[in-house]
Amino acid sequence: QVHLVESGGGVVQPGRSLRLSCAASGFIFSSYGMHWVRQAPGKGLEWVAVIWYHGSNKYYADSVKGRFTISRDNSKNTLYLQMEGLRAEDTAMYYCARPYGGNSITSAFDIWGQGTMVTVSS
Amino acid sequence: QSELTQPPSASGTPGQRVTIFCSGSTSNIRANSVNWYQQLPGTAPKLLIFSTNQRPSGVPDRFSGSKSGTSASLAISGLQSEDEADYYCAAWDDSLDASVFGTGTKVTVL
Repeated sequence: QVHLVESGGGVVQPGRSLRLSCAASGFIFSSYGMHWVRQAPGKGLEWVAVIWYHGSNKYYADSVKGRFTISRDNSKNTLYLQMEGLRAEDTAMYYCARPYGGNSITSAFDIWGQGTMVTVSS
Repeated sequence: QSELTQPPSASGTPGQRVTIFCSGSTSNIRANSVNWYQQLPGTAPKLLIFSTNQRPSGVPDRFSGSKSGTSASLAISGLQSEDEADYYCAAWDDSLDASVFGTGTKVTVL
């Protein structure tokens, strides 16, 4: 079965850092680009970042550019999101998501993790 | 980052047809496929429609998608109580080099 499991969320003070992980199983992780998507409490979905299957190309939402870094370790089937300079507005459930088209990062997200909650508060 | 625009809410009685519209631009909806997600309360989003009008395995044929120009739509025919959820459109934006989501529509079954 194809699974994505996020971890690493928690409560963190403004300005601090946090690293999220997304463990993949049941598919050839190294053949897929991967995305992070977040959802603030009671709000809609917001795309955060994408990384190509090989890890060399990455795109970010303007709201996180310069503060968040997406990366991956294909040997560990794991996706990461390093978050620096966290702000209250970064409070959200963070999901990792797989595009069905493999290395086509623009295709629909057919597999989602259950999410990990990040709360930025003093 | 721009978003795709959806009505905040839509409703219908069981058996009715409900249509949700999604408004975008030339760099997202016109240029690329549109996808739709269903999100039940407290759960992760689920892919409902991909490539504008394709249904993943297991999605009932009551759900259908289409697009014209810079707008897309999701139709739910034969509305059922289990369809009560939030629905989001999404597309890749060539100008932003980013995926953009719609603002979301809450569907209520009366």
